[in-house]
Amino acid sequence: KNQVEQSPQSLIILEGKNCTLQCNYTVSPFSNLRWYKQDTGRGPVSLTIMTFSENTKSNGRYTATLDADTKQSSLHITASQLSDSASYICVVSESVNDMRFGAGTRLTVKP
Amino acid sequence: DTAVSQTPKYLVTQMGNDKSIKCEQNLGHDTMYWYKQDSKKFLKIMFSYNNKELIINETVPNRFSPKSPDKAHLNLHINSLELGDSAVYFCASSPRKGHTDTQYFGPGTRLTVL
Repeated sequence: KNQVEQSPQSLIILEGKNCTLQCNYTVSPFSNLRWYKQDTGRGPVSLTIMTFSENTKSNGRYTATLDADTKQSSLHITASQLSDSASYICVVSESVNDMRFGAGTRLTVKP
Repeated sequence: DTAVSQTPKYLVTQMGNDKSIKCEQNLGHDTMYWYKQDSKKFLKIMFSYNNKELIINETVPNRFSPKSPDKAHLNLHINSLELGDSAVYFCASSPRKGHTDTQYFGPGTRLTVL
């Protein structure tokens, strides 16, 4: 069983709307949590990295939150754009060589 | 200029063959990685390499071997290819081997084993 679960599996929203993607994990001990954006046919691009002591981190229209007590993270996208259409991957790690990847949420933004 | 580049982008080959995928980074980073992304889109780390220190994910078959001629290159050599090796392979790099360092990924190499 994967130790990083993402939901929803896929999501369709209209351009300009906000959305929130979820990541639940059971990885322990926990060191940091990352969110990546992966466009179709491309490599992942880092959006945010949070250590266990951080609750929130923003990168432009992307805001990640972390609750280390409940082992949950969310990625909120504000004022979505067509270019936000991609897979968003949550990665939880104890160390650089013990990174557990979620299966990703496939986001489609429609005009 | 491309930060992390991989060649080839696509590789189609027969079972049993030996093949290599090349990776180069021009970011001056100390650490490089190889990842495998399977058909279900799960990414798994295969290797990390830093200053000649190689850390191998224990689940990786020994048919896979990384080779680093210098700090800017980490090539992946695969012997006796099997059908299950079909996947997209990503190279990545980071400034150091710290676990909070941002990793920069290459565009991927889609390997198809027939």
